[in-house]
Amino acid sequence: GQQLNQSPQSMFIQEGEDVSMNCTSSSIFNTWLWYKQDPGEGPVLLIALYKAGELTSNGRLTAQFGITRKDSFLNISASIPSDVGIYFCAGQLSGSNYKLTFGKGTLLTVNP
Amino acid sequence: KAGVTQTPRYLIKTRGQQVTLSCSPISGHRSVSWYQQTPGQGLQFLFEYFSETQRNKGNFPGRFSGRQFSNSRSEMNVSTLELGDSALYLCASSVTSATYEQYFGPGTRLTVT
Repeated sequence: GQQLNQSPQSMFIQEGEDVSMNCTSSSIFNTWLWYKQDPGEGPVLLIALYKAGELTSNGRLTAQFGITRKDSFLNISASIPSDVGIYFCAGQLSGSNYKLTFGKGTLLTVNP
Repeated sequence: KAGVTQTPRYLIKTRGQQVTLSCSPISGHRSVSWYQQTPGQGLQFLFEYFSETQRNKGNFPGRFSGRQFSNSRSEMNVSTLELGDSALYLCASSVTSATYEQYFGPGTRLTVT
């Protein structure tokens, strides 16, 4: 079953605002990844994190691998209309034979 | 470099039929994973193939199967289709089985009537 809790489920923000979303679990993850999916397309990899405490940026996006290895955060600064989409966290669960476990996604809407 | 390609993009089948979906990974990627995406369950891992061998498997019934060819292309088969199999089927490739940075194709939208 689903072992990643992603929040919030949806967000409505104004262009220019900063956005934060996160994923938490009661289990330990070895790897965290963040993806964005546009309608009718497959998810696109945004950021990959491999070590506890790691903080990585990709343009206006910043993600962190939680120190407990049970959570991860994604921040988007100065949002723009093309940031609209569904953002997914994904992780490689320690001891699991699953390739990746995905969160349910955060639907981001940006009002121009 | 070309991305992951999946064929067909859309498919309509009837209950009880079987279906085969195809995935060509990014050149040089030897691991191919399959996921099912539905509004209710989200993205769920089906299985992974590397070097023509199934390396990992999710919690799906045996009606879901796959294979990988020597050129790393992969196919997924679903037999005896059920209405609940209607979903977006996504293929993702990575360099090796130990690499977790996966790159997704656009998916095959399967509708079972």
